[in-house]
Amino acid sequence: AQSVSQHNHHVILSEAASLELGCNYSYGGTVNLFWYVQYPGQHLQLLLKYFSGDPLVKGIKGFEAEFIKSKFSFNLRKPSVQWSDTAEYFCAVNALRGNNRLAFGKGNQVVVIP
Amino acid sequence: NAGVMQNPRHLVRRRGQEARLRCSPMKGHSHVYWYRQLPEEGLKFMVYLQKENIIDESGMPKERFSAEFPKEGPSILRIQQVVRGDSAAYFCASSPRTGNQETQYFGPGTRLLVL
Repeated sequence: AQSVSQHNHHVILSEAASLELGCNYSYGGTVNLFWYVQYPGQHLQLLLKYFSGDPLVKGIKGFEAEFIKSKFSFNLRKPSVQWSDTAEYFCAVNALRGNNRLAFGKGNQVVVIP
Repeated sequence: NAGVMQNPRHLVRRRGQEARLRCSPMKGHSHVYWYRQLPEEGLKFMVYLQKENIIDESGMPKERFSAEFPKEGPSILRIQQVVRGDSAAYFCASSPRTGNQETQYFGPGTRLLVL
C-alpha cells in the first residue's frame, strides 16, 4: 500500500517569505502525484498534479512542485507567499495500477502573517 | 456548474444511533469516492462507487459501514450504531470518468460528532 509523509505539520511564515513543503511517498511502481489545498471554511481544491513528462509542474496561484523520482519526493514551493495562502496543504498519491484511490499525507497547516 | 454537494455539513449523533451522509456528485460525474479524516490525520480512502456498483471498498470498516450510489439520487454513506471513534470529517469526491489520472473534485465534507 502507498503511504505519504508530510513533515512540519504547522508552518508559520511572513508575507513575501518563500515556502517549501516536503512530500515523500513509499511505492515502488509508477505513481500519479497531487497537491490539494483547503482554505479556511472551504473544500479541498486541486493545486497541481503530475502524471508524466517535465518533473517541474506549475500550478495555480504561483505554486510549483518538483517530482524527484530517485528521492520519491514531490515537494511544493512558492517563492513569495501572501496572506491569502493561509490554508492546509495535502499531498496525495495514487498508483498507476491502483483503483483510483488517493493516499493522502497528514497535511501541512500553513499560516501566513501579514 | 455546481460542485460536489454534501449534506448535512454537521451531524451530531449519540452512541448507538445511525448516521446517514449524502453526497451529490458534480453534474455529469458518475464516479464517487468517500474518504474519512480523523483528527490530526490525513484523508483515508474508504470506498469507490459508480452508479449502482461498488468498485473498491477496501478502505471500509468491516462492520457497521455501508455505501451505495443508486441510479437516481445521491450517494449515501451509512454508519449504523455509531461509536465515539466514528467522529471524523467525511469527504466525498467525484470524477467524470474512471482512471488514475482523473482529477477528483471534493465536497465540503460532513463533520460527524458522536456523543
